[in-house]
Amino acid sequence: GAVVSQHPSRVICKSGTSVKIECRSLDFQATTMFWYRQFPKKSLMLMATSNEGSKATYEQGVEKDKFLINHASLTLSTLTVTSAHPEDSSFYICSAPGSGHTEAFFGQGTRLTVV
Amino acid sequence: KQEVTQIPAALSVPEGENLVLNCSFTDSAIYNLQWFRQDPGKGLTSLLLIQSSQREQTSGRLNASLDKSSGRSTLYIAASQPGDSATYLCAVRGAGNTPLVFGKGTRLSVIA
Repeated sequence: GAVVSQHPSRVICKSGTSVKIECRSLDFQATTMFWYRQFPKKSLMLMATSNEGSKATYEQGVEKDKFLINHASLTLSTLTVTSAHPEDSSFYICSAPGSGHTEAFFGQGTRLTVV
Repeated sequence: KQEVTQIPAALSVPEGENLVLNCSFTDSAIYNLQWFRQDPGKGLTSLLLIQSSQREQTSGRLNASLDKSSGRSTLYIAASQPGDSATYLCAVRGAGNTPLVFGKGTRLSVIA
């Protein structure tokens, strides 16, 4: 099946710094990438949708200036958490929708801890 | 707006028992439904995908059913094992390039 590679898997950063998370589609072209966030013991919530070559769309309550999304190519989408704060500590995971009747493909996820 | 509910939120069973996890969704106009497994601190492992036109899918000891008109799906796990302990997530997808909408999951513990 299709593979989405997400890096890093785990990152610890200081408050006020920025962190970039990358998601690459390894054997297919992903025109769309969904970014989810999961707080402890909660479900995955959609943050934003990135589309290759156009601006990302953000869900209500998600700050677009804080969570910068870039989808400059058909195989790479990035999420940058700017000026991170401890409340941004969460599990972030990307997903590319399968075409037709196929399943959605997920990255391995990134555990972000802001200290 | 689609909402997905999973019951129970947590479940603890002795090894060897058969069990059923429930998932319901409010908008029956789905494209497919997917069951995932998530281990603590880890990503998602896709277990079963059911298309909207299908009634069930089976993989090993797992069987998932779908009743689209009533907005329900069940995940049946036969002969549970301690290694099945994890959180099980149900997610539905609408038509087109739409994101999955997830339930909150069922946290399963299988006791040896």
